[in-house]
Amino acid sequence: GNSVTQMEGPVTLSEEAFLTINCTYTATGYPSLFWYVQYPGEGLQLLLKATKADDKGSNKGFEATYRKETTSFHLEKGSVQVSDSAVYFCALLPANAGGTSYGKLTFGQGTILTVHP
Amino acid sequence: GAVVSQHPSWVICKSGTSVKIECRSLDFQATTMFWYRQFPKQSLMLMATSNEGSKATYEQGVEKDKFLINHASLTLSTLTVTSAHPEDSSFYICSAPQEINEKLFFGSGTQLSVL
Repeated sequence: GNSVTQMEGPVTLSEEAFLTINCTYTATGYPSLFWYVQYPGEGLQLLLKATKADDKGSNKGFEATYRKETTSFHLEKGSVQVSDSAVYFCALLPANAGGTSYGKLTFGQGTILTVHP
Repeated sequence: GAVVSQHPSWVICKSGTSVKIECRSLDFQATTMFWYRQFPKQSLMLMATSNEGSKATYEQGVEKDKFLINHASLTLSTLTVTSAHPEDSSFYICSAPQEINEKLFFGSGTQLSVL
């Protein structure tokens, strides 16, 4: 079956540090890959996505590249801010998902990021 | 943007009682909603798909008689954990797709603790 593995947290960084959160997946074919972020007290929000190999998703200074050869989708940001403190979830959607079944995501366990001033 | 409201945010209950969690799409209609569960240090797992006006579909290993789902209107789905036990203590979260743009919106989650 499909699965997503994220690096264990929590991750604690100082402001302006470089961030990497590793994510690897197991799936057949070419799933779509996502990073979601959950700020305190809020619902998960889509941060970025990539739908095919070698695609790079980017948003708010975050980037992740869909690497089929290593089945990875690592999240990176060059300079984190205190406001980036949140829980980050990597997720995949199977290649054959369509219609409203795009809610049938497989998630990783989430990584708590805390950024200190 | 579209908002999904979920409540309660947290609930503590005694073993054997039932707990209802509500998930509402506030400014769009959702014929389908999704319920997920996350145990500590584990992945967020899809439990079931809630379908307006028809029965929910459950993922393998999820007891449909224990986790009752009702999707009686286009903006509300409820998950009732019946006869809750300590092993049901978990983080439950819902989502609703906005079909017009294929975006998925999540509630803020419910932390359930069963004593």
